[in-house]
Amino acid sequence: KQEVTQIPAALSVPEGENLVLNCSFTDSAIYNLQWFRQDPGKGLTSLLLIQSSQREQTSGRLNASLDKSSGRSTLYIAASQPGDSATYLCAVYSSASKIIFGSGTRLSIRP
Amino acid sequence: DAGVTQSPTHLIKTRGQHVTLRCSPISGHKSVSWYQQVLGQGPQFIFQYYEKEERGRGNFPDRFSARQFPNYSSELNVNALLLGDSALYLCASSLESALEAFFGQGTRLTVV
Repeated sequence: KQEVTQIPAALSVPEGENLVLNCSFTDSAIYNLQWFRQDPGKGLTSLLLIQSSQREQTSGRLNASLDKSSGRSTLYIAASQPGDSATYLCAVYSSASKIIFGSGTRLSIRP
Repeated sequence: DAGVTQSPTHLIKTRGQHVTLRCSPISGHKSVSWYQQVLGQGPQFIFQYYEKEERGRGNFPDRFSARQFPNYSSELNVNALLLGDSALYLCASSLESALEAFFGQGTRLTVV
């Protein structure tokens, strides 16, 4: 049974810092891994999708890596800004029909 | 292009009532999935439909049911509502199963 864990559950850093969010999963047989952002009371905004054959994806200040053999993914955010404050969710496509989500990391960027 | 649209955006129901949530996928997408997100947790998989057939079901009671129509839109039905059914219900669509999923903004259900 696939399980997805995100550490830390919450993180507060000053503006301008580079930071790393961690995601681990128990079954390496995955299709894709996706990082989402969720603002309070809102839906999911896709940040980056990494296919199982890829090792990383980049978009602007965001970089996501995938190491299937160790069951880990990281989301790197460069030069953090207050507008980056949100909950970040890691999602693993564990089968053709099912996405398993972690519980998220609640990120707060202090001005 | 319109994204995934869900209706209604919010609703309040009383325990024991029935609710129907609706989802319209992105044009051309044949797969629709439903997720439940309770406060403070990640979304939990409820159902996936592809080409109008159920392709996956999560660990939810039989009070939860869904269907997909010929135009690929979908409904999620919940009977005999419980307080614990209060959550954000998210719909996602994709071209095919296992391809990138695009999520709607969700329906916030409150059961009182």
